[in-house]
Amino acid sequence: EVQLVQSGAEVKKAGESLKISCQGSGYSFPSYWIGWVRQMPGKGPEWMGIIYPGDSDTRYSPSFQGQVTMSVDKSISTAYLQWSSLKASDTAIYYCARRDSGWTLDNWGQGTLVTVTS
Amino acid sequence: QSALTQPASVSGSPGQSITISCTGTSSDVGTYNLVSWYQHHPGKAPKLMIYEVTKRPSGVSHRFSGSKSGNTASLTISGLQAEDEADYYCCSYAGTTTFVFGGGTKLTVL
Repeated sequence: EVQLVQSGAEVKKAGESLKISCQGSGYSFPSYWIGWVRQMPGKGPEWMGIIYPGDSDTRYSPSFQGQVTMSVDKSISTAYLQWSSLKASDTAIYYCARRDSGWTLDNWGQGTLVTVTS
Repeated sequence: QSALTQPASVSGSPGQSITISCTGTSSDVGTYNLVSWYQHHPGKAPKLMIYEVTKRPSGVSHRFSGSKSGNTASLTISGLQAEDEADYYCCSYAGTTTFVFGGGTKLTVL
């Protein structure tokens, strides 16, 4: 069974750094792209970007380029999303999702709630 | 404002059918047959219900079906059941490794 398990909720202050994780299991982790999606309170999901664990090829959405960094450690089947300096507007639930062999996000993590206080 | 437009809420009684629309543009829904639908119970992982407009993943009930006409995709749920009550999101591939999402529709089973 394919599973993506994300790290737990975080409460941070503006200006702090943060790295959240998404661990895959039940499939060949290096072979499938992992995407990240933001969902702000009361809003629809937004596409942030995608990374290929096999070679760390990363494609950011223009809205998130320079705002976050995506990375992977394929030795432990884990993808990461990190911020160097959080803002209150980064408060949201962040989901990771696996892209299948086509263009569908077929399996999702349970989400990580990030709360940033000013 | 989300890239794809969905109704904020729909409702139906058990046994009835409902349809949720998802309107995009000629740059996403209208161009690509790569629309997917997700069922989301808050606090849980979104679940893929329909992909590539009409396809159902293994294990998803035949009561769920998808279609598309022009820039609008639709999800139909027939024979509504209490367990269908959830938030539903549409998603379309939009080219250059980019996806766009709808704002979500809250389904209430009366």
